[in-house]
Amino acid sequence: AAGVIQSPRHLIKEKRETATLKCYPIPRHDTVYWYQQGPGQDPQFLISFYEKMQSDKGSIPDRFSAQQFSDYHSELNMSSLELGDSALYFCASSYPGPNTEAFFGQGTRLTVV
Amino acid sequence: AQTVTQSQPEMSVQEAETVTLSCTYDTSESDYYLFWYKQPPSRQMILVIRQEAYKQQNATENRFSVNFQKAAKSFSLKISDSQLGDAAMYFCAYTQGAQKLVFGQGTRLTINP
Repeated sequence: AAGVIQSPRHLIKEKRETATLKCYPIPRHDTVYWYQQGPGQDPQFLISFYEKMQSDKGSIPDRFSAQQFSDYHSELNMSSLELGDSALYFCASSYPGPNTEAFFGQGTRLTVV
Repeated sequence: AQTVTQSQPEMSVQEAETVTLSCTYDTSESDYYLFWYKQPPSRQMILVIRQEAYKQQNATENRFSVNFQKAAKSFSLKISDSQLGDAAMYFCAYTQGAQKLVFGQGTRLTINP
């Protein structure tokens, strides 16, 4: 069965650079969530989209932006990268409706040097 | 805001024995969903078990079962016949359905052969 695909799997950037993370949800999933997991931390919710519209926003820095495209894939754009942005970034997708579960991608490990 | 607390940063158990991981949460909602996720060294987030708050019966998935105490806002995970492959970080998570997940701090489970 198709899973959530994230690319790239690993990314190394220098401070003040820009990074773009991509997420391809499971087919027919119309909701996408982004989470950030720092070293030794639990995942923290950043932002979510439902039917290409932002549905919720968490502790996402102003330097970050995201969108969901017409094919339901999503991109997380991160600018002016800081050392503290080094983390594992998860994307998850789900079907519409309350009684659904979110399926996670394998994550993108971002290292800022 | 909803919060999830895992008071056991680390747990260890002998192979083939039973271990229980604790989780408490705080919410004023009556309808919600609770999950246990497993995160092995690969860092993949794997759903172990889910519980709908409106169901009184505790969820069970093979060797994994939960003790859901709604009034006490407690949601513990019991792993029976522990196997070496169960070694991982375990996160308890809460959602109101089709919304962001709120995670606990995690419990690192070690299986001793």
